[in-house]
Amino acid sequence: GAVVSQHPSWVICKSGTSVKIECRSLDFQATTMFWYRQFPKQSLMLMATSNEGSKATYEQGVEKDKFLINHASLTLSTLTVTSAHPEDSSFYICSARGVHRWGGEQFFGPGTRLTVL
Amino acid sequence: QQPVQSPQAVILREGEDAVINCSSSKALYSVHWYRQKHGEAPVFLMILLKGGEQKGHEKISASFNEKKQQSSLYLTASQLSYSGTYFCGTGGSSGAGSYQLTFGKGTKLSVIP
Repeated sequence: GAVVSQHPSWVICKSGTSVKIECRSLDFQATTMFWYRQFPKQSLMLMATSNEGSKATYEQGVEKDKFLINHASLTLSTLTVTSAHPEDSSFYICSARGVHRWGGEQFFGPGTRLTVL
Repeated sequence: QQPVQSPQAVILREGEDAVINCSSSKALYSVHWYRQKHGEAPVFLMILLKGGEQKGHEKISASFNEKKQQSSLYLTASQLSYSGTYFCGTGGSSGAGSYQLTFGKGTKLSVIP
């Protein structure tokens, strides 16, 4: 149980285009999903917290107009990188919070590697 | 506030033991441990919520000190499959559900034959 999928696994795009990444919880309902980015050999940096049916909460320094997050259902959250630039190239990982009431372990998707040319 | 992990890297021979520490200057609500292999997403290992708690699965265990400011991950009789980067993720100090995690910089563990 507690499987999270991400699509696509990797994407290469030209500068200025928009890219959508999907995150799905396959066998459980996730009221909260998180989006992270990770640069090579670095830690996971939380970008935003996504709650079903409400606006995402962005971390300081993350542009909400550039990284659009939609959490339309209890099993799907999407991250759209708008007008992508080479500096947006990174490994993007989503996670979904487990049903444990206190603490709530997070289960991670396999990640999406974005390369912007 | 990012937790501090130590050591940054460790090399072990198969069968040796290792300890990875994760500490914070303030009390934590929870500590989560993950292992990430190169190019893959982190895999959940365990979560600790209570001061003084210890738990484990097979040959990997973890503890959370009474003050809830430090957690340690213990890897016993390491196997080649244990290689990877271990991250601790800490939850905030509020009680009712600060679900966001702040991750340490990671500890790279390499197990060699």
